[in-house]
Amino acid sequence: GNSVTQMEGPVTLSEEAFLTINCTYTATGYPSLFWYVQYPGEGLQLLLKATKADDKGSNKGFEATYRKETTSFHLEKGSVQVSDSAVYFCALKNNQGGKLIFGQGTELSVKP
Amino acid sequence: EAGVTQFPSHSVIEKGQTVTLRCDPISGHDNLYWYRRVMGKEIKFLLHFVKESKQDESGMPNNRFLAERTGGTYSTLKVQPAELEDSGVYFCASSQVESGYRGYTFGSGTRLTVV
Repeated sequence: GNSVTQMEGPVTLSEEAFLTINCTYTATGYPSLFWYVQYPGEGLQLLLKATKADDKGSNKGFEATYRKETTSFHLEKGSVQVSDSAVYFCALKNNQGGKLIFGQGTELSVKP
Repeated sequence: EAGVTQFPSHSVIEKGQTVTLRCDPISGHDNLYWYRRVMGKEIKFLLHFVKESKQDESGMPNNRFLAERTGGTYSTLKVQPAELEDSGVYFCASSQVESGYRGYTFGSGTRLTVV
């Protein structure tokens, strides 16, 4: 079946540090891949997406590349800010149906 | 454009009681989804409405959960009777087209605590 595995948190970083949150997936076919973010007290927001192999999604300084050979979609940011503190969810969606399959979420805390 | 609205934002109930969660999707969005995150684990799909019809309810955990979407507008998710393991955050999302990942909008969620 389809599944998403992401690194466990919490992750604590100092401001301006480099961020990597690992995400790997198992899926049939060619899924679309997503990163969602939940800031404190808010709903889930789409951060970035990629729909086919080798696509790179990017937004707000975050990037992730769809790697079919390693079934991965790792999230990276070169210099994190305190305002990036949130829970990050990796997710996939197969072409059939509209439901998303999420990972367990990674809590990021950025200290000044 | 108003977003997806969920209420209550928090609910604390005793085991055995009934709770009803409500989701108001974005106006005109035919697709409505319910998800749940339990105890810091992954967010799991519960079910999918297209207008008032249940398109996919494969994620509903058991028959204590009842979802409705009368008239194809707002949706309710009732848990009766609630058990301790039902505690978690319940998210609702809506979209205009089924495969339109561009169009997913999530609500802020309802945090349910069963004691």
